Amino acid sequence: GAVVSQHPSRVICKSGTSVKIECRSLDFQATTMFWYRQFPKQSLMLMATSNEGSKATYEQGVEKDKFLINHASLTLSTLTVTSAHPEDSSFYICSVKQSNTGELFFGEGSRLTVL
Amino acid sequence: DAKTTQPPSMDCAEGRAANLPCNHSTISGNEYVYWYRQIHSQGPQYIIHGLKNNETNEMASLIITEDRKSSTLILPHATLRDTAVYYCIVSLFTGNQFYFGTGTSLTVIP
Repeated sequence: GAVVSQHPSRVICKSGTSVKIECRSLDFQATTMFWYRQFPKQSLMLMATSNEGSKATYEQGVEKDKFLINHASLTLSTLTVTSAHPEDSSFYICSVKQSNTGELFFGEGSRLTVL
Repeated sequence: DAKTTQPPSMDCAEGRAANLPCNHSTISGNEYVYWYRQIHSQGPQYIIHGLKNNETNEMASLIITEDRKSSTLILPHATLRDTAVYYCIVSLFTGNQFYFGTGTSLTVIP
């Protein structure tokens, strides 16, 4: 069964609105979760590392004020795309690393379309 | 984390073995080699990982060269459902970030 669950799987919103995507670790507690973005026909790009109880760490070039990350519990991280614009349309994927195996589990992804 | 280089695309006949190469010449001694695949519009799926010994599981085999500068993922009997983009990643076992390269788009042909 799924180890990581994302919701919603698809979302369409108007330009200027904010969208929240949830990522849940179902099988184990995760002090760290990762958020990726993938544009069509491109590879996954790491956006940020979400840390439970502290601030997220953003990769270079990713605007922290635009992509708000909250990791309030050991099983839930949220990514909020604020004031979304059409260029933010993408496939957003979260992941969780299992510390004893080193394996990275990915969610099903959330496809955001901004009109 | 070390970078990886993979061919952009490959074809394989259904039922034959698919051998996907990966170069990671700057890999450090404590970095593992991980393989994931991504079927269109889904999250990546874990396949296998290893440090220096060859590894095998129910999905695939991983062959790592003695100098650890390259590896090959082997799907022993490719099926149409194995058509996907395959990513080779090197990362510390205890490290956090996985950086994805461009991957290899494998097409299994009937």
